[in-house]
Parts: sequence; structure tokens; C-alpha cells
Amino acid sequence: EVQLVESGGGLVQPGGSLRLSCAASGFTFSSLWMSWIRQAPGKGLEWVASIKEDGSEKYYVDSVKGRFTISRDNAKNSLYLQMNSLRVEDTAVYYCTRMRPPQYFDYWGQGTLVTVSS
Amino acid sequence: QSVLTQPPSVSAAPGQKVTISCSGSSSNIGNNYISWYQQLPGTAPKLLIYDNNKRPSGIPDRFSGSKSGTSATLGITGLQTGDEADYHCGAWDSSLSGVVFGGGTKLTVL
Repeated sequence: EVQLVESGGGLVQPGGSLRLSCAASGFTFSSLWMSWIRQAPGKGLEWVASIKEDGSEKYYVDSVKGRFTISRDNAKNSLYLQMNSLRVEDTAVYYCTRMRPPQYFDYWGQGTLVTVSS
Repeated sequence: QSVLTQPPSVSAAPGQKVTISCSGSSSNIGNNYISWYQQLPGTAPKLLIYDNNKRPSGIPDRFSGSKSGTSATLGITGLQTGDEADYHCGAWDSSLSGVVFGGGTKLTVL
């Protein structure tokens, strides 16, 4: 059974940093692209970032470029999202997803809430 | 404001059929596959349709997808109260080099 479990969310002040983690199991993690998708309260989905199987390619939505970094550790079956210079508008539930490039996401974690507020 | 356009809400009676539209452009829906996701209240989204009209294992054939030009449609037949959810469309956007989504459509089964 495929499982994706996020952790690391919480309350942070504007300008602060947070690192999200996603523990994957039930599939060969090193063989698949992975992504982060977020959903602001009461809003639609927004793709944030994607990373290739071996980490050699990374893609970001324009609004997080230069602030967020996606990475993975295939030895630990883990996906990460380092978020720096956080803004109020980054407040959202962040989902770890398994990606079938280039366009769909076949498994989602339960999400972790990031709240950016003073 | 979302790149793909969906109606905010749709409604229909149990047993009836409903369609949800998703409109885009040549850089996304027009030249790339579309996918649909169902998000039940308080839960994570779940893949419903991929590659325009394919259903993952376990998704009933009451759910169908189609695409024409720069628009796509999700169809649900034999509506059940358990189908009440938000439905999201998504597609790769070649101009933005990223995946774009619609704003989501809330389905109410009256």
C-alpha cells in the first residue's frame, strides 16, 4: 500500500523558515518523480515544486522560486521542502504527492498545515 | 486567480447526471493531457481521471472524462450523496513549465 506521510508544518512568522518532510512507503521511491502541492484555506490547489527520480531536475512555481528548495533522499525514501523567507500568502496545507510526469498526481499524503503569521 | 476556469458550484439530485467543465488555453488543455481530482470534505484530493479519460483502478465507471479543444469535462452519472465533494482539474502548462489547476467546483447532491 502506497503511503505518504508529511510532517514539519506549524506556525512561523513572516520571513521565517520551515522544512517539510514526507516519508514514503509501499513503492520504489527512487523510481518516481515527486511533488509538493499546496492549498490555501478555502482555495483551490496550487502546484509548488517537482523533482525527478534522481534529483537531477527540479521545477518550481514562479511565486516560490529562490525561496523554496525541493530535495529528496532516496536512501531514506524521503522528500523534503525547505521554505525560506516565508510570506503570509504561503499559508496553506502542503501535500506530498507522487507524480506521473508531466501532468498528474496519483497518490497524495494527508497534508501538513503551514501558517505564516505574526 | 487560477489558470484553468471551473464553475464554483454545481448541483443535481441523487441518481441524476452532472457535468463539470474546465476551460483553458492552447498552452495547457489544448496540447496536454488533463486530470481530475475528487476532494471529499476534510480530506486530501484523490485522483479520479488521468490522461483525459482514463480511470485509475477502483474508480467506478460512473465517472468519465472528455476533452475538446481547450476545454474538458468531468461527467458523473448515478449521483450519490457520497459524491458531494470539491472537484479539481489540472494540466501541464507548456508556457509556464508547470502544472496548473482550476479553482475547484463544489458538487452538491440535493
